[in-house]
Amino acid sequence: GQQVMQIPQYQHVQEGEDFTTYCNSSTTLSNIQWYKQRPGGHPVFLIQLVKSGEVKKQKRLTFQFGEAKKNSSLHITATQTTDVGTYFCAGTDRGSTLGRLYFGRGTQLTVWP
Amino acid sequence: DGGITQSPKYLFRKEGQNVTLSCEQNLNHDAMYWYRQDPGQGLRLIYYSQIVNDFQKGDIAEGYSVSREKKESFPLTVTSAQKNPTAFYLCASRPRQGSSYEQYFGPGTRLTVT
Repeated sequence: GQQVMQIPQYQHVQEGEDFTTYCNSSTTLSNIQWYKQRPGGHPVFLIQLVKSGEVKKQKRLTFQFGEAKKNSSLHITATQTTDVGTYFCAGTDRGSTLGRLYFGRGTQLTVWP
Repeated sequence: DGGITQSPKYLFRKEGQNVTLSCEQNLNHDAMYWYRQDPGQGLRLIYYSQIVNDFQKGDIAEGYSVSREKKESFPLTVTSAQKNPTAFYLCASRPRQGSSYEQYFGPGTRLTVT
């Protein structure tokens, strides 16, 4: 069945350092989404990527969708303590009409001041 | 305010008891989902529903049951058959139509069974 792998599971950085999390799917995806979950909170949608090779930016966050639509990455430049949380990727199978998402296990980011 | 509500935020039960978690949305979304979250496990899909009176099993449906009698409500029952029910339960919804698959999550219910 569909699997979405995400690495690393944990990342500890000092404030100001960059951070990257990677997501790989066992099958081709129709789209990929990224969510952020603050400690004690619930996942909040960040962005959706649909096109092959797509790159989107949100301030210090850069999201990429691979050419084969099987991998994605989230890069944060110059992390801040407000970036702390767990970042999840989630993909939808190509051809799926049910809209279910397959979530990666997430990358838990800790930022030291 | 539009959104998804889950109640209660914390729930404690004795082993062997069934418990029902509430999920209500006023976003007029067609699709609703239940996830379970354990530390280091990410989000695992329990059940989902695309329309009223219809639902499908997710990856870990054993020991759980749902109903979808109204568009805005999708309660989850954790039965005594669920071997390890202590977890954080998240409900989500999304519009059925449209190109975005963005899911909106409720605040979650932390269930502890002893």
